Amino acid sequence: DTAVSQTPKYLVTQMGNDKSIKCEQNLGHDTMYWYKQDSKKFLKIMFSYNNKELIINETVPNRFSPKSPDKAHLNLHINSLELGDSAVYFCASSRPDSGNTIYFGEGSWLTVV
Amino acid sequence: DQQVKQNSPSLSVQEGRISILNCDYTNSMFDYFLWYKKYPAEGPTFLISISSIKDKNEDGRFTVFLNKSAKHLSLHIVPSQPGDSAVYFCAASEWSGAGSYQLTFGKGTKLSVIP
Repeated sequence: DTAVSQTPKYLVTQMGNDKSIKCEQNLGHDTMYWYKQDSKKFLKIMFSYNNKELIINETVPNRFSPKSPDKAHLNLHINSLELGDSAVYFCASSRPDSGNTIYFGEGSWLTVV
Repeated sequence: DQQVKQNSPSLSVQEGRISILNCDYTNSMFDYFLWYKKYPAEGPTFLISISSIKDKNEDGRFTVFLNKSAKHLSLHIVPSQPGDSAVYFCAASEWSGAGSYQLTFGKGTKLSVIP
């Protein structure tokens, strides 16, 4: 009954590979996000989708492509993985009347070797 | 350029005493401020928030104070408990339109509550 769930939790892959991280929320929220926590521990927004529509697209390499098949899912696909992509990726969701509160998933630890 | 700063990377407090975590921000457009708590290998969990039109919000042992003129907020935990040991992130929110909020996070403060 996890509110925001993402898979896989841990992923180790080689440079140059393509990988996806899946995210699902069962909170009935309209907006979903991807955040990245880098080696310096900063949490930064990457993308936000509202009702399957892209709202925020921060300066992220176009190797990163979010896909929202429906408002409960927001998957992150990464092409041609690089060493610098190693980070923790957090999916999150919110709704307009939640007082700006964003609910996070448990994170996906990506290591590129 | 960091818009949200938590200048203390760590804080140690004795059980039962008060923990005070501080946060400074630079962007006047932020309209909501939030504190998140994070345990290792887990996602951030929402703790408490405050609107920019208020100066205090209290929820049980947790109180957040906002000083808009100083662009400063703080989180008070009283009394501190060992289970409060975690990394605390300060975050500031801007409305991005179409039902989307953009949170800007500080770097976090690791709180250790000593039994």
